[in-house]
Amino acid sequence: DTEVTQTPKHLVMGMTNKKSLKCEQHMGHRAMYWYKQKAKKPPELMFVYSYEKLSINESVPSRFSPECPNSSLLNLHLHALQPEDSALYLCASSQVVQKNEKLFFGSGTQLSVL
Amino acid sequence: DAKTTQPPSMDCAEGRAANLPCNHSTISGNEYVYWYRQIHSQGPQYIIHGLKNNETNEMASLIITEDRKSSTLILPHATLRDTAVYYCIVRVLNYGGSQGNLIFGKGTKLSVKP
Repeated sequence: DTEVTQTPKHLVMGMTNKKSLKCEQHMGHRAMYWYKQKAKKPPELMFVYSYEKLSINESVPSRFSPECPNSSLLNLHLHALQPEDSALYLCASSQVVQKNEKLFFGSGTQLSVL
Repeated sequence: DAKTTQPPSMDCAEGRAANLPCNHSTISGNEYVYWYRQIHSQGPQYIIHGLKNNETNEMASLIITEDRKSSTLILPHATLRDTAVYYCIVRVLNYGGSQGNLIFGKGTKLSVKP
């Protein structure tokens, strides 16, 4: 199984809503990532988890709250988002501390904030 | 900031080789060259990577110049399904063997035409 599964595939939310994005992998990877991708732009790194601990936060606003409850799951909790947060949110995973490890990406959640 | 320069777009005839250039003139000795591609509405997909030797796998070949300041990704027989944005990324190899984070540049939009 070399798949990273993201749910939901599409999400529409209002600025006062609270929602969560979910990501799951069963490849035994111990590094997991959230990227944000605006239309016609490259993906931008948001967060990195290594062995279920947050190791990188790329100055992301606190309305985005990541969580890694176990080695297979990664969540992104959303609260009080702005319309400019509308984007494709990509999850990825990889081995940790291995030379030349590859990132495996999910297909993303397309988020629209109204 | 991304450390690579790629042409914004390229066309290729179906069945012909697609040669995608990448300039990384400031690359340092401990940085690898990675290639990923992103087909519309999907997550990025790993293609190939290298340090200084040329590399080949079932998807593509990677040619790195001797001074390592540029590289070329070659898709030997492009098909319509190879239409995608191709990202060239330099990635540091940290002390202890771990890799630096994957930071995407703007990429090249390759259009394979019948």
